[in-house]
Amino acid sequence: DAGVTQSPTHLIKTRGQQVTLRCSPKSGHDTVSWYQQALGQGPQFIFQYYEEEERQRGNFPDRFSGHQFPNYSSELNVNALLLGDSALYLCASSPSGVDEQFFGPGTRLTVL
Amino acid sequence: KNQVEQSPQSLIILEGKNCTLQCNYTVSPFSNLRWYKQDTGRGPVSLTIMTFSENTKSNGRYTATLDADTKQSSLHITASQLSDSASYICVAQRETDSWGKFQFGAGTQVVVTP
Repeated sequence: DAGVTQSPTHLIKTRGQQVTLRCSPKSGHDTVSWYQQALGQGPQFIFQYYEEEERQRGNFPDRFSGHQFPNYSSELNVNALLLGDSALYLCASSPSGVDEQFFGPGTRLTVL
Repeated sequence: KNQVEQSPQSLIILEGKNCTLQCNYTVSPFSNLRWYKQDTGRGPVSLTIMTFSENTKSNGRYTATLDADTKQSSLHITASQLSDSASYICVAQRETDSWGKFQFGAGTQVVVTP
């Protein structure tokens, strides 16, 4: 079992650009959540996807959007990047109805 | 205001020594509290989860305690090893919260030196 995988590992963008991050959940997991973790801080919830629908959303602007595919993999899109979007972006997966989540290794995004 | 406060922000300990990390939370009504270990540049990995009725939970050399009356939890690391160097994050959950609403602390950065 490969666990939760994310790509790319690292990414450097400039202000105003757009970025897409990808996540493959653990086998058997159908729920995917995305988190933003700034340096020295705990993860902040962005949104959660289940059955290809956004089920919950945290306090993030519409520049942050996502998608879930029929195979349960997911993408996080961020438009009009700001310097403050520089962070580790974590994906976590779980089977529906189960509290425990398994985190991926994250994608380190740097915005210059 | 963050509903989960952790202390200290960071600490350095010698290999083989013990240490204790603190977590104070204000979420209510309280459901459970989790401790995660996060290696640098990696995702968090669950260490323990405790409901309000549990006072202590162990996972190898990691022992978590919970006092639901004072809303405090601690994570004790026994006989520290170099591999214990990581950030330790406390997460509190309200009864009505789903995963998205969990309250994450900022973490305590632990450095174990030889």
